[in-house]
Amino acid sequence: AQSVSQHNHHVILSEAASLELGCNYSYGGTVNLFWYVQYPGQHLQLLLKYFSGDPLVKGIKGFEAEFIKSKFSFNLRKPSVQWSDTAEYFCAVNARAAGNKLTFGGGTRVLVKP
Amino acid sequence: GAVVSQHPSWVICKSGTSVKIECRSLDFQATTMFWYRQFPKQSLMLMATSNEGSKATYEQGVEKDKFLINHASLTLSTLTVTSAHPEDSSFYICSARDVFTGGGTEAFFGQGTRLTVV
Repeated sequence: AQSVSQHNHHVILSEAASLELGCNYSYGGTVNLFWYVQYPGQHLQLLLKYFSGDPLVKGIKGFEAEFIKSKFSFNLRKPSVQWSDTAEYFCAVNARAAGNKLTFGGGTRVLVKP
Repeated sequence: GAVVSQHPSWVICKSGTSVKIECRSLDFQATTMFWYRQFPKQSLMLMATSNEGSKATYEQGVEKDKFLINHASLTLSTLTVTSAHPEDSSFYICSARDVFTGGGTEAFFGQGTRLTVV
């Protein structure tokens, strides 16, 4: 079945550490890729998105993601995390092959220790 | 960014009763809205796609008679959980796409509704 996979369910790291969250999808053809963040007690917010063009996408709050088409991946990175980055992160894919529905990965809970 | 508002934010109801959840796009028009369900410590699962002026499209395994969706205008979609049972307790989230920006592929999310059925 076509899906979106996030490799890590939980990540714990210290402030100033670098963060990389993996995301792979199995859809062929044209895809739009998103990373959403859900802070504790809040609703989903868009971090960044890729539609076309430069595969390295810059988002808000210092996040970036790289689309590697050959690997069907869209990994999220941040060079130096802060305590306020504690949240759950969701990768999502909108694929024409899947009827343009937005399909989410399982999410990764990130805990940044002060 | 565009704002999507859900109401209520939380609701407690008795088994057997029905609950209506509203999803409004406040500053844009959305021909398509989506309803998701999120179980604790799990991801969002798409329940149905709500199209303005037509019947909703339900995902496999979602009971259309139990989860009634109405999308009467470009700014409002409602989800009614009929004859609710404790297993329907969950976090329901709607999202909407702005039809006038970039082909409408970016989705904006409501704050979610936590439903508890007792």
